[in-house]
Amino acid sequence: QKEVEQNSGPLSVPEGAIASLNCTYSDRGSQSFFWYRQYSGKSPELIMSIYSNGDKEDGRFTAQLNKASQYVSLLIRDSQPSDSATYLCAGANTGTASKLTFGTGTRLQVTL
Amino acid sequence: DVKVTQSSRYLVKRTGEKVFLECVQDMDHENMFWYRQDPGLGLRLIYFSYDVKMKEKGDIPEGYSVSREKKERFSLILESASTNQTSMYLCASRLRNEQFFGPGTRLTVL
Repeated sequence: QKEVEQNSGPLSVPEGAIASLNCTYSDRGSQSFFWYRQYSGKSPELIMSIYSNGDKEDGRFTAQLNKASQYVSLLIRDSQPSDSATYLCAGANTGTASKLTFGTGTRLQVTL
Repeated sequence: DVKVTQSSRYLVKRTGEKVFLECVQDMDHENMFWYRQDPGLGLRLIYFSYDVKMKEKGDIPEGYSVSREKKERFSLILESASTNQTSMYLCASRLRNEQFFGPGTRLTVL
């Protein structure tokens, strides 16, 4: 079964620190990876996508992909209380009809 | 901005009722999806559609059906609602690789 694994947390970091969220996947056919943020009671919101090995930066967020190790991570710099949410990792195969496979999410708590 | 809307935010139905959940997107996306989300189980794909009148089963299609008569609208149907279908239902549409979710419908089946 193709899976995406995440530690459920909660991951607790102090305000201003770097939060590091990790994800591993089992399907070597996965080519595209996505990070979604989900606040309690709300729907997931796409915050980052990454398709190539290496780092991709967008503001305070950096996504990292290592296809050889089947590992994806999301770094949040200068963490803010408003970053407190559940972060979902998802992977997809190639093709227009491909589906996303989601992890169960990591809950992040940013403390004052 | 991509907009995906769902017909209801909260819905309460009785066991055995037929339930329709509607989803509309305004960006001419070809691919649309229905998920349910339950604590500890994450997002699970029920059905998806990659074109009008086309549908594919996801990971948990049992007890559900779908309809896509127009490109912008994708409906999820619970033929005979049961208590184990109490859940948060999320619709999504996709352009190329990026998938966008609607606000969700919290369905309670009594």
